[in-house]
Amino acid sequence: QVQLQESGPGLVKPSETLSLTCTVSGYSISGTSYWGWIRQPPGKGLEWVGTISHSGTTYYSPSLKSRVTISLDTSKNQFSLRLSSLTAADTAVYFCAKVYGNYPVGSFHHWGQGTLVTVSS
Amino acid sequence: EIVMTQSPATLSVSPGERATLSCRASQSVGSNLAWYQQKPGQAPRLLIFAASPRATGIPDRFSGSGSGTEFTLTISSLQSEDFAIYYCQQYNTWPLTFGQGTKVDI
Repeated sequence: QVQLQESGPGLVKPSETLSLTCTVSGYSISGTSYWGWIRQPPGKGLEWVGTISHSGTTYYSPSLKSRVTISLDTSKNQFSLRLSSLTAADTAVYFCAKVYGNYPVGSFHHWGQGTLVTVSS
Repeated sequence: EIVMTQSPATLSVSPGERATLSCRASQSVGSNLAWYQQKPGQAPRLLIFAASPRATGIPDRFSGSGSGTEFTLTISSLQSEDFAIYYCQQYNTWPLTFGQGTKVDI
């Protein structure tokens, strides 16, 4: 059974860089699959942040592309999100998820529980 | 980007009743459409992918239909555990986009 777990700081200062990690169990991230980050501001809807392939190819939301980096660490079976130049608008619950199937575009079948990140001084 | 519009914003129904939720895409997404259920404090749960097949473990009271720009999620007989927010998502074109959600409540 695939399980995902986000980890990272709950509070980050404006202008700083957020770093989150998603640890995957029950599945090798170096297999033929794709992994994503989705965020949800408090009380609002879901926003796709980006997706990474098993080989490290990345796809980013145009609205965040200049500030976001997603990477893999196959030795730890983890993938990570870095988001720079934070503002209060980046306050959200950040979810990591596994794409359904073996294509970069797809629905998200398995999700982490999410981690709340607050941007505040 | 493709804009996904869900209606209604809130749907008030009683247990045992049928609920019909709509999702419209600003341009065709073929059948590349998913539905999720989200309860407070929880991650979204995939219900439907490719517009109509149910994800593993999803009860058959949930059904999806549609293609192109118009999609429907139907819950045939609402159970108490079905009161939640439902989102549609298109994955036909980058960037992936979600609807704003429909809240199903009593």
